Amino acid sequence: AQKVTQAQTEISVVEKEDVTLDCVYETRDTTYYLFWYKQPPSGELVFLIRRNSFDEQNEISGRYSWNFQKSTSSFNFTITASQVVDSAVYFCALSEAGAAGNKLTFGGGTRVLVKP
Amino acid sequence: KAGVTQTPRYLIKTRGQQVTLSCSPISGHRSVSWYQQTPGQGLQFLFEYFSETQRNKGNFPGRFSGRQFSNSRSEMNVSTLELGDSALYLCASSLGSGGYQPQHFGDGTRLAIL
Repeated sequence: AQKVTQAQTEISVVEKEDVTLDCVYETRDTTYYLFWYKQPPSGELVFLIRRNSFDEQNEISGRYSWNFQKSTSSFNFTITASQVVDSAVYFCALSEAGAAGNKLTFGGGTRVLVKP
Repeated sequence: KAGVTQTPRYLIKTRGQQVTLSCSPISGHRSVSWYQQTPGQGLQFLFEYFSETQRNKGNFPGRFSGRQFSNSRSEMNVSTLELGDSALYLCASSLGSGGYQPQHFGDGTRLAIL
């Protein structure tokens, strides 16, 4: 069965510091998809990024970047030069291509607090 | 483009009652999934509907059920409510049902059981 672990429950930083969120996953499928979502206090989950299991190229999108390493089953996410508006709970999630449908397995989330 | 709309936003019920939550997906999206979020269990998948058919179901008792209409709108029903059903219920929609496309979430329905 699939599993996602986010070992960091809470991270507190001062504005402009970089924040790296760790995510480790388990799956038996060879094709799977990894996601990061952000949940601000309003409650809505906001999609941030997606990575396919067959594409290990790491990318940067604005202040966001991610490091996908299949060898260690990790999918870490970095916010560069954090801002107060980045304060939220961040979730890593896994979807397996072999499973029927769109079932997302989420990690426990990491609460990020950015202080001015 | 309008996002995923969930109604109602807040709901208070008592034990033993039943409740129906509604979700209108993004226009053109045919897949609707439901998740339960609680402080203790985190985010858990309930079920997914695609083209009016249930595609996948999470590990929840039969008291939790859902359906999808021809316009892709979905409803979730919980019967014989228990205190442990208090949670934020999130609905998500996506274009297809292959696990690849990102799911877009609504604001959720916060359900409190007294």
